[in-house]
Amino acid sequence: DGGITQSPKYLFRKEGQNVTLSCEQNLNHDAMYWYRQDPGQGLRLIYYSQIVNDFQKGDIAEGYSVSREKKESFPLTVTSAQKNPTAFYLCASSWGPNYGYTFGSGTRLTVV
Amino acid sequence: GIQVEQSPPDLILQEGANSTLRCNFSDSVNNLQWFHQNPWGQLINLFYIPSGTKQNGRLSATTVATERYSLLYISSSQTTDSGVYFCAVLYQGGSNYKLTFGKGTLLTVNP
Repeated sequence: DGGITQSPKYLFRKEGQNVTLSCEQNLNHDAMYWYRQDPGQGLRLIYYSQIVNDFQKGDIAEGYSVSREKKESFPLTVTSAQKNPTAFYLCASSWGPNYGYTFGSGTRLTVV
Repeated sequence: GIQVEQSPPDLILQEGANSTLRCNFSDSVNNLQWFHQNPWGQLINLFYIPSGTKQNGRLSATTVATERYSLLYISSSQTTDSGVYFCAVLYQGGSNYKLTFGKGTLLTVNP
């Protein structure tokens, strides 16, 4: 079945560590996105990529980095520069910006 | 940037009741989507509806783009309809394309 796989589902990070969240899709979508969701809030865009080897900052890119070396993969690194990383992270993909989005099941990141 | 406002913020229903959720947006959009987030966090795309009306089973949606609002109708609600419903719109500013989400409507359907 086609879809988006995010891993891990739960992740614990120590202060000062970088961690990488995985996002893989087999829908052959060109565009991929990373969103952050805080409790009781909507989703905020971190980074997006419309094509391989290209990505753009969203509204809250500080403290995060991404790569898009393959069409099916869009990993997100949460760096030590991100001061408040505890949140629910959602990855999505679509054929392009004017198409419906498909979301993964998310990764819950907690700083310990 | 574009503003997206959803109402009501919270809604409690008895099973079998009907409901209407509203999404207002502040500028022209090319893309409007409704999502349902279940209690485990999974976001399911319900409708891609930049204009017009669509129906899928007990759910239907209408977007009036010229008046900058969209409505999501849920008929004969079931407990499995509980969760958060998000409206999201696409704002095209220069070369940037980003789907902007409202804060959601928390729906609770009681048996």
